[in-house]
Amino acid sequence: GAGVSQSPSNKVTEKGKDVELRCDPISGHTALYWYRQRLGQGLEFLIYFQGNSAPDKSGLPSDRFSAERTGESVSTLTIQRTQQEDSAVYLCASSPLADHTDTQYFGPGTRLTVL
Amino acid sequence: AQSVTQPDIHITVSEGASLELRCNYSYGATPYLFWYVQSPGQGLQLLLKYFSGDTLVQGIKGFEAEFKRSQSSFNLRKPSVHWSDAAEYFCALKILSGNTPLVFGKGTRLSVIA
Repeated sequence: GAGVSQSPSNKVTEKGKDVELRCDPISGHTALYWYRQRLGQGLEFLIYFQGNSAPDKSGLPSDRFSAERTGESVSTLTIQRTQQEDSAVYLCASSPLADHTDTQYFGPGTRLTVL
Repeated sequence: AQSVTQPDIHITVSEGASLELRCNYSYGATPYLFWYVQSPGQGLQLLLKYFSGDTLVQGIKGFEAEFKRSQSSFNLRKPSVHWSDAAEYFCALKILSGNTPLVFGKGTRLSVIA
């Protein structure tokens, strides 16, 4: 079946603009994660959704970042008033059931460049 | 807090040579451990994972990793590297309590030369 998909693959925006990134998880996967990968860095956790539970937002770097997910479907990550330090690859992952043993399957990412 | 260290930022090996990528973790108990590979323009692909049991784990593409509790390490190995193995490799852990995200190391970039 299809893997995790993300759109757009690349986004160039001007400082101060809002951007919206989309993630389509694997069908049936209840858990969805957003990570950020800055140049030369590992992945940083941003936010995590598990079914209808309240999301874990503990990784969001500022209140300019927010994310939504409806049920077990698509998720959108929104960055308001973008800054140059927001430039990064934003990766989405989903897993079938978020317990300790379940593998996270990653999408190809959205490369965000803030000018 | 838990953390993952990959001491080597960049490694270059000759095609056909053996490979070992180092990974050390910091956590008060035994975590779940993963190795992912990221090829240019691609998402992360899981190579292998350790949850419990046999400390030598076999993965895809001929990779293996060994969990050593005494050294808090989970090094990735391959006996003979192919040019297509050139990529970025990430070690990650997941702690045992609750539903938690992965904690990643900063990655090791592997270059393969003829």
